[in-house]
Amino acid sequence: EVQLVQSGAEVIKPGKSLRISCKASGYSFTDYWISWVRQMPGKGLEWMGRIDPSDTYTMYSPSFQGHVTISADRSISTAYLEWTSLKASDTAMYFCARDPMETSRGFDFWGQGTLVTVSS
Amino acid sequence: SYVLTQPPSVSVAPGQTARVSCGGDNIGSKSVHWYQQRPGQAPVLVVYDDSDRPSGIPERFSGSNSGNTATLTITRVEAGDEADYYCQVWESPGDHNYVFGPGTKVTVL
Repeated sequence: EVQLVQSGAEVIKPGKSLRISCKASGYSFTDYWISWVRQMPGKGLEWMGRIDPSDTYTMYSPSFQGHVTISADRSISTAYLEWTSLKASDTAMYFCARDPMETSRGFDFWGQGTLVTVSS
Repeated sequence: SYVLTQPPSVSVAPGQTARVSCGGDNIGSKSVHWYQQRPGQAPVLVVYDDSDRPSGIPERFSGSNSGNTATLTITRVEAGDEADYYCQVWESPGDHNYVFGPGTKVTVL
């Protein structure tokens, strides 16, 4: 059974750094990319970027380039989303999703989401 | 960057047919995916590559894509279909990224 299990909710102060995780199981981790998607409170879905775990090649949405870092450790089948200095505007739910390399197939499995709340 | 448009809301009575549109410049040349997101849950892929259904998705969900409009059709609507629906495409050429539509709230009356 394919599963993507994300790390738990975070409440963190502005200016702090944070890394959240997405652990994959039930398939070969290096056969699919992992994408990250943001959903701000009451808003729609925004694609942030994707990583190929086989070689850690990454692609970012222009809206998120330079603001976050996507990484992966294939030895533990885990992808990460990281910030170095959080802002209140980063408060959102973040989802990881299994992303077939072929862009004609859609994101077929999703994590449960990680709620990040940035507040002083 | 590529822009997708969706109606904010669609209302439908149980047993009837709901149609959710997704507009974009020459979207018919792109592969469109559709996601269902119920409140408090992660999105679920319901249609990919314009009209294909993932395993486990009822045949009541179908899709089409031509010209400047893609459409998700839900027949014999049930109360459980009430959710937000998002279309998605891969923007290429250009920025080479995924783009989501703003979402449509489907309300079952």
